Amino acid sequence: NAGVTQTPKFQVLKTGQSMTLQCAQDMNHEYMSWYRQDPGMGLRLIHYSVGAGITDQGEVPNGYNVSRSTTEDFPLRLLSAAPSQTSVYFCASSSYSTGHTEAFFGQGTRLTVV
Amino acid sequence: AQSVTQPDIHITVSEGASLELRCNYSYGATPYLFWYVQSPGQGLQLLLKYFSGDTLVQGIKGFEAEFKRSQSSFNLRKPSVHWSDAAEYFCAVELMEYGNKLVFGAGTILRVKS
Repeated sequence: NAGVTQTPKFQVLKTGQSMTLQCAQDMNHEYMSWYRQDPGMGLRLIHYSVGAGITDQGEVPNGYNVSRSTTEDFPLRLLSAAPSQTSVYFCASSSYSTGHTEAFFGQGTRLTVV
Repeated sequence: AQSVTQPDIHITVSEGASLELRCNYSYGATPYLFWYVQSPGQGLQLLLKYFSGDTLVQGIKGFEAEFKRSQSSFNLRKPSVHWSDAAEYFCAVELMEYGNKLVFGAGTILRVKS
């Protein structure tokens, strides 16, 4: 059981480049989300999805797009990378079976924008 | 606005000593609270959660936490720390917005002296 898998683990981009961070889960969870982690700020929600075909913005969505065509996959796209997007990105998935969020996290993608 | 505060950015304890990590939340309704641990280069792992009922909850790796409504606190404790407990610890509260998102504190980095 792989849980939540993120790729790549590390990435360096030049300002203005685009890229997609991949996230896949094999737990059949309805809820998936993307967070960014910056020193001293904990994790902040970028985008989330409550099911296939449904996505919505979190606290810090600017500069990022998402889609959810299947239950398993939830890619995060950076359209035009900026140095302010240098961060560690975490994908998480949760089941609503208990009525509450019990999130499982991927190992993260460390992104540097130069 | 709802928030989670972890007052201690860094804590150092000796191996075998007891540990308490502080967490205060600001949330009007009955909160759903979590503690996560992040080892270096890893994703976040759930240590324990509080939804309702007994205010003292047990988690994995010998950790426990006590919910105190009067103090708006959910402090994490361990009676005897092991060197492998060195990590960053995050307190989080579940909010019924953004699809039941998690709001994280800034984290506390635990260092264990041998």
